[in-house]
Amino acid sequence: KAGVTQTPRYLIKTRGQQVTLSCSPISGHRSVSWYQQTPGQGLQFLFEYFSETQRNKGNFPGRFSGRQFSNSRSEMNVSTLELGDSALYLCASSAVLSGGEETQYFGPGTRLLVL
Amino acid sequence: SQQGEEDPQALSIQEGENATMNCSYKTSINNLQWYRQNSGRGLVHLILIRSNEREKHSGRLRVTLDTSKKSSSLLITASRAADTASYFCATLAYNTDKLIFGTGTRLQVFP
Repeated sequence: KAGVTQTPRYLIKTRGQQVTLSCSPISGHRSVSWYQQTPGQGLQFLFEYFSETQRNKGNFPGRFSGRQFSNSRSEMNVSTLELGDSALYLCASSAVLSGGEETQYFGPGTRLLVL
Repeated sequence: SQQGEEDPQALSIQEGENATMNCSYKTSINNLQWYRQNSGRGLVHLILIRSNEREKHSGRLRVTLDTSKKSSSLLITASRAADTASYFCATLAYNTDKLIFGTGTRLQVFP
């Protein structure tokens, strides 16, 4: 099976712009989670989608939003970009292990630089 | 704040030595997972230990969990240069579907 893919891999934007990142989960995975990774804050959970519905949400401002399509592909959008939004954005799709627990498969990430 | 704190922040060892990383967390958990991240790339799931387990092995990896101390350790035996990466613990609390990641340990293995 192909892994989780994310596009684009690198992106440079300026303050005030908006950006949309895309994630395609592993075939058959219905849950997609998004994380932001920065040197200062580490890995922080943004939100999770399951069957086109947001199931969990982290503590990020409303400028960060997402959605999931019927084919499980997901997008996240950040509006009115700030310098502090520069980060590696990771997407993960979930699978249930034989014991019933979920584990996550991560994509390579999109590195966003806001100037 | 993040659920997990990892110790040490960075660790440098020679090939063949063992590497031990520790993770502490704050609330009751359903399970704890360890992930590896090569520089600037996505995370790879290594091992999962349930809250009712105390120790688990997978190849050269050994994970322990002490729920009374709210801590876990990851031991990599006979390390290799290819083990150079950042290692993160992640906890799944009860009644939640979201993983909370620790701060990570940067491991450097010198040939």
